[in-house]
Amino acid sequence: DQQVKQNSPSLSVQEGRISILNCDYTNSMFDYFLWYKKYPAEGPTFLISISSIKDKNEDGRFTVFLNKSAKHLSLHIVPSQPGDSAVYFCAASAGYGGSQGNLIFGKGTKLSVKP
Amino acid sequence: EAQVTQNPRYLITVTGKKLTVTCSQNMNHEYMSWYRQDPGLGLRQIYYSMNVEVTDKGDVPEGYKVSRKEKRNFPLILESPSPNQTSLYFCASSFETGGTYEQYFGPGTRLTVT
Repeated sequence: DQQVKQNSPSLSVQEGRISILNCDYTNSMFDYFLWYKKYPAEGPTFLISISSIKDKNEDGRFTVFLNKSAKHLSLHIVPSQPGDSAVYFCAASAGYGGSQGNLIFGKGTKLSVKP
Repeated sequence: EAQVTQNPRYLITVTGKKLTVTCSQNMNHEYMSWYRQDPGLGLRQIYYSMNVEVTDKGDVPEGYKVSRKEKRNFPLILESPSPNQTSLYFCASSFETGGTYEQYFGPGTRLTVT
């Protein structure tokens, strides 16, 4: 059973508009969430994270929102740029403050930003 | 340059022939991990290591072995590879900075088992 779900395999957005990538989780023990970006033929790179004690974290054009009651998080990219075109993975951990241990990834969402 | 390196980057082998994929990091990270990426399945964790001589199973450990004899190296061993282990493998390492859990990934090893 998937503990971290990214239900949209792909998303297409116009340059300059907002991109919203969604992620749902089922395990209530998860207390730390991360987003990774992956270009073809490269390893994933860390983008942004949020702990369960927050509901929002912002870094430049990237903002992650966490709704614990709905077990849902989203990544907003504003404004979207063609260089943002990549696969985005949501990941969750139950190890905040101690054991990092097992990190669970979603299946990924392929974002295409059109000029 | 801070990095995670994997070797080989590409490998084609036959069923049952033991192989090792090496992983090395130069950032003095405590934590290292192996993942496999398959179409439609995303990234799945195979094994991880919290420190030297400390390893634990991830979600899909069957058919794999690891060792962590030194901090910088975390090899992935396939004692008897099978075609269902054909995949793209990533090694990663991380340190804890305020609990960010950011992992640095290697470039990947594409393995084909025939």
